[in-house]
Amino acid sequence: SQQGEEDPQALSIQEGENATMNCSYKTSINNLQWYRQNSGRGLVHLILIRSNEREKHSGRLRVTLDTSKKSSSLLITASRAADTASYFCATDTQAGTALIFGKGTTLSVSS
Amino acid sequence: SQTIHQWPATLVQPVGSPLSLECTVEGTSNPNLYWYRQAAGRGLQLLFYSVGIGQISSEVPQNLSASRPQDRQFILSSKKLLLSDSGFYLCAWSPLGGPGLHNEQFFGPGTRLTVL
Repeated sequence: SQQGEEDPQALSIQEGENATMNCSYKTSINNLQWYRQNSGRGLVHLILIRSNEREKHSGRLRVTLDTSKKSSSLLITASRAADTASYFCATDTQAGTALIFGKGTTLSVSS
Repeated sequence: SQTIHQWPATLVQPVGSPLSLECTVEGTSNPNLYWYRQAAGRGLQLLFYSVGIGQISSEVPQNLSASRPQDRQFILSSKKLLLSDSGFYLCAWSPLGGPGLHNEQFFGPGTRLTVL
């Protein structure tokens, strides 16, 4: 069953600009995670935010979580061409048994 | 450090043939193990997960099966492949966690399966 939905599906920006991706989910969660996938490769874990946290930073990444709206956002600041990838949110639901991934946002950063 | 291996990297198989994909993890004990499938341009679909040897949970009914004969080995199989089994198969592991509390997952490089 689909839990997380990323928005937008695709995003194209210039190097140096900021990229914002959103994720909405349906049921209560323990944590929410963001992953990156380069074309044809496995996923790489970026950041995990727990349900009692509102904001978390890691390098150029900033993640926010609003449990009242059941939504999260991933902000990549000062984007680079190497940030070109698909980004997925994944939720660990309180009632579930495993992470559930969304369909992802495809980010293209051009130089 | 922990590493996860998957093989083969690519596979082309005829419809009706059997399948065996293998995943092994090094550098950790008692991991949770997962098999996902990703169709072209789509998100990840969880197929199976395992919290221990011989313990397999299936998320969706399908033509596939999974086994965990050893602590750090996870195998995805099929007796007869269908065209719809084509996709990108990803194995992942995470540190052992309690029910409803899943830590970050570490993914293998994936296997690209094409069924003709």
